[in-house]
Amino acid sequence: EIVLTQSPGTLSLSPGERATLSCRASQSVSSSYLAWYQQKPGQAPRLLIYGASSRATGIPDRFSGSGSGTDFTLTISRLEPEDFAVYYCQQYGSSPPQFTFGPGTKVDIK
Amino acid sequence: QLQLQESGPGLVKPSETLSLTCTVSGGSISSSSYYWGWIRQPPGKGLEWIGSIYYSGSTYYNPSLKSRVTISVDTSKNQFSLKLSSVTAADTAVYYCARLRIYCGGDCYYWFDPWGQGTLVTVSS
Repeated sequence: EIVLTQSPGTLSLSPGERATLSCRASQSVSSSYLAWYQQKPGQAPRLLIYGASSRATGIPDRFSGSGSGTDFTLTISRLEPEDFAVYYCQQYGSSPPQFTFGPGTKVDIK
Repeated sequence: QLQLQESGPGLVKPSETLSLTCTVSGGSISSSSYYWGWIRQPPGKGLEWIGSIYYSGSTYYNPSLKSRVTISVDTSKNQFSLKLSSVTAADTAVYYCARLRIYCGGDCYYWFDPWGQGTLVTVSS
């Protein structure tokens, strides 16, 4: 089973700043298998990025994803007030077929 | 616009079976492009995938829960369901249903979107 680790656990930033979130896999993952979600308190997760770097429909271009192999990054270029939330990475593993999520990174207001 | 809505008891006794249903509206559960899934989130914790199903009934489950999980589909009602047996307090969580998109071009892509609003299930006597 592939384990995902996210860092940092909490990121304290101000609006307008750049946020860089890391997702590391315990073994190599196909980029197409990697997605990112945003979750606000009391809400369901929302898809941001799929295939490591493709933005989902309606997601602002300040959100971008990159990476390959075992290291993936979600970048928020300039934080808006509505971006303060928890972010999860997720990967698909094929043997056996299963999905795993990282523990999340909380982006809060400094 | 596709919407998913979870329903079922909010309180289940230890050792009993948790049963939830997800109703899909605004689209057909029988679409060939999608699977459907259940994901849960214990209070204050992260997300755990439970399992997924295709409209044909093909399923795959989280190995850690496989012995206790059954996911089924009712295409006539545009619904899919979750049963989790022998529950304990550790199964207390918000349970989400979601559409799983699997897109294969050269590579295959997998993502959950959209999600239902979630329903809290508490296991307690």
